[in-house]
Amino acid sequence: QVQLVQSGAEVKKPGASVKVSCKASGYTFTSYGISWVRQAPGQGLEWMGWISAYNGNTNYAQKLQGRVTMTTDTSTSTAYMELRSLRSDDTAVYYCARDFFPYSSGWPNWFDPWGQGTLVTVSS
Amino acid sequence: EIVLTQSPATLSLSPGERATLSCRASQSVSSYLAWYQQKPGQAPRLLIYDASNRATGIPARFSGSGSGTDFTLTISSLEPEDFAVYYCQQRSNWDTFGQGTKLEIK
Repeated sequence: QVQLVQSGAEVKKPGASVKVSCKASGYTFTSYGISWVRQAPGQGLEWMGWISAYNGNTNYAQKLQGRVTMTTDTSTSTAYMELRSLRSDDTAVYYCARDFFPYSSGWPNWFDPWGQGTLVTVSS
Repeated sequence: EIVLTQSPATLSLSPGERATLSCRASQSVSSYLAWYQQKPGQAPRLLIYDASNRATGIPARFSGSGSGTDFTLTISSLEPEDFAVYYCQQRSNWDTFGQGTKLEIK
């Protein structure tokens, strides 16, 4: 079955960087895009950006431009999200989510399935 | 940025009752709207996409309607496992989510 398995929880100091991984299985990795969505404690969902696993094209949320980089490794069917210059308000659960439909033309479509989430805590 | 406003913030109902959740967009999103369900400690799950299409494996008691700026998620007869938080999401212009509606047991 289609599955996205994320890396484990991280604790980082303000100003540091974090890199979260998302390993996909059960489908052709390069046929679908991957989005990253975060959820601060007790809060709603925030879309961070999207990457095409086919050609590496990316689209990032404007508020995170310059701090976030999304990449993929097609040899291991893994997507990565790196966030730099961490602040306390970056504390959140970070989810990867696959496009519902394949062959997206350059923008995410709907998000399904999702990874299990990775808690990133930013604290001094 | 398109803002999605969900109402009510909390909905208290009993199993077997009908639930009606609303999502209003600050400008037209055509039919580019989805609904997700999230249970505590779990990732969200896609229920409805393109405003009215049920995702794979979603029971028929879940239905979506609307277009433009006003959308509704209806659960025809609540089951115990339906009590959760529900989010709407648009992809017409960038991607944004509503703030969620918590469906709780009365």
